Amino acid sequence: NAGVMQNPRHLVRRRGQEARLRCSPMKGHSHVYWYRQLPEEGLKFMVYLQKENIIDESGMPKERFSAEFPKEGPSILRIQQVVRGDSAAYFCASSPYNGGYSPLHFGNGTRLTVT
Amino acid sequence: TQLLEQSPQFLSIQEGENLTVYCNSSSVFSSLQWYRQEPGEGPVLLVTVVTGGEVKKLKRLTFQFGDARKDSSLHITAAQPGDTGLYLCAGALGNNNDMRFGAGTRLTVKP
Repeated sequence: NAGVMQNPRHLVRRRGQEARLRCSPMKGHSHVYWYRQLPEEGLKFMVYLQKENIIDESGMPKERFSAEFPKEGPSILRIQQVVRGDSAAYFCASSPYNGGYSPLHFGNGTRLTVT
Repeated sequence: TQLLEQSPQFLSIQEGENLTVYCNSSSVFSSLQWYRQEPGEGPVLLVTVVTGGEVKKLKRLTFQFGDARKDSSLHITAAQPGDTGLYLCAGALGNNNDMRFGAGTRLTVKP
């Protein structure tokens, strides 16, 4: 069973460009999370999605950032008009949550560098 | 302000020593998880605790969930260089698995 796949692994964008980060959850997982991590820091929550539904987006800036998890295909985190402060590692996790609690399975992240 | 406060932030010890790291909050969590993250990789789950007062052991690692389900600790016995990494605690808000992470404890075990 393949793990959570994130691509690209590294992404370089110039200021003002768009960044699209993709996350394919583990098979059978219906819930996806996006977190941001700066060097030497923990994971900062951004957004929590179920297929075709946003459960919690309280950690995501209202401007320039958007996320989706369509019925078919990967979850996408989109950052428009990137700025240097967007440079970070972005981690996606999935879970088979179906009530109660479920562990999160993480991908190996996308490292975004804005030049 | 972090929902989950982890301490210490950094810890450097010699191989063979024991250590405890803490995860504290003023909020009550329906479950709490501990993860370990190595450089260049995503976090990997170590344990989930659900019941207040619960103690779980994983080889040399002992995890405890506070009685009030607001705090947790991780104790490592006879640390080894392979234990080096970032230890993260994560709590579930409400009952829908909405997970929040602490800032982590960065552990270095020197041979």
